[in-house]
Amino acid sequence: DSGVTQTPKHLITATGQRVTLRCSPRSGDLSVYWYQQSLDQGLQFLIQYYNGEERAKGNILERFSAQQFPDLHSELNLSSLELGDSALYFCASSARGEKYNGYTFGSGTRLTVV
Amino acid sequence: GDSVTQMEGPVTLSEEAFLTINCTYTATGYPSLFWYVQYPGEGLQLLLKATKADDKGSNKGFEATYRKETTSFHLEKGSVQVSDSAVYFCAYSGGGADGLTFGKGTHLIIQP
Repeated sequence: DSGVTQTPKHLITATGQRVTLRCSPRSGDLSVYWYQQSLDQGLQFLIQYYNGEERAKGNILERFSAQQFPDLHSELNLSSLELGDSALYFCASSARGEKYNGYTFGSGTRLTVV
Repeated sequence: GDSVTQMEGPVTLSEEAFLTINCTYTATGYPSLFWYVQYPGEGLQLLLKATKADDKGSNKGFEATYRKETTSFHLEKGSVQVSDSAVYFCAYSGGGADGLTFGKGTHLIIQP
């Protein structure tokens, strides 16, 4: 157990639908990162939050959005889903400053769009 | 811009063979360097890291030395096992920043 919890582990949904993926960071970590991993695109950085504020954006589509709540858990919302959105979605968390030691990843949510 | 380049896979070796996975980076400043491993069906796990030039990170028989002069952080293991089959990601973080830049990953397959 890495300490980063992602739910659900698996999700199957239809095209055009909307889903929400949830992430609870490791205790004490204020930064949360979302990544998409697919066979053809590899590991793609989507977005980062730090203590509730958006800090960095990567290759995140306009149909996707995220937020980090006061209790530091984060949600990634994917809407108007397309077949190409099928992928593994990972959340990671990290500490900052002297406590920084890279990322701790969750085990991911496997999204299948049919 | 900043980037990480890894050798493309898959890399297929026999058990007990010597492993090298090359990683080079392009970055300004003095980044910290990392190797992550992803076993089938799991998330990425930190394998080892080095925070300054000439540092050697090591874990589970794997080693990598931070070579500033060649901007490299090659992963090595003297004798691989079937259980080492996984995808390996090289990554760096810029000095003072907390973001990680990942390479594309190298799929390692160890055959008995």
